[in-house]
Amino acid sequence: DAAVTQKPRYLIKMKGQEAEMKCIPEKGHTAVFWYQQKQSKELKFLIYFQNQQPLDQIDMVKERFSAVCPSSSLCSLGIRTCEAEDSALYLCSSSPQGGQDTQYFGPGTRLLVL
Amino acid sequence: QQQVRQSPQSLTVWEGETAILNCSYEDSTFNYFPWYQQFPGEGPALLISIRSVSDKKEDGRFTIFFNKREKKLSLHITDSQPGDSATYFCAASAGGRALIFGTGTTVSVSP
Repeated sequence: DAAVTQKPRYLIKMKGQEAEMKCIPEKGHTAVFWYQQKQSKELKFLIYFQNQQPLDQIDMVKERFSAVCPSSSLCSLGIRTCEAEDSALYLCSSSPQGGQDTQYFGPGTRLLVL
Repeated sequence: QQQVRQSPQSLTVWEGETAILNCSYEDSTFNYFPWYQQFPGEGPALLISIRSVSDKKEDGRFTIFFNKREKKLSLHITDSQPGDSATYFCAASAGGRALIFGTGTTVSVSP
């Protein structure tokens, strides 16, 4: 079975602090995606890596987030300065090749910014 | 601007009934439409998908009907079971770009 791992499952930060969350994609998958989900609503696309290189990202990520995939088996998403609006579930997914392959999601990291 | 819209926002059906979930989109270049199922506390999981060259895709009790001209699709869940109670997301993409998700439909199946 596909298994994308995310750590930590829960993260609490004070406003202004830095946050970091990690994702271990499914073995052999070359594409990794990050999404933000608030209150079980739609998943908002954040950034897409193909073979560890960022191919697409939204402006918010460029401005306030840091995202890297230093290896094919580990990616991380960081928020430089947390704001209350960043409180959300951050979901990582991976797929064998890219956008139109099945994406397998991890359980997410739930971030609460106080 | 919401590129992928879903309706209704929530839906309650009796066990054994058919649940119909609707989805519409704006971008005519979208050609891949997966539906994801999400249970509370979990990440979404692919349920069924369709590409724009087809107008129907069936997998067990789940069927997608696709109307390219009207930019609409629907997910039919026949013989609904309490275990189908979840939030269902319609998504779309084109040319290998990342998925654009709809706002979701929360389905409750009453026994």
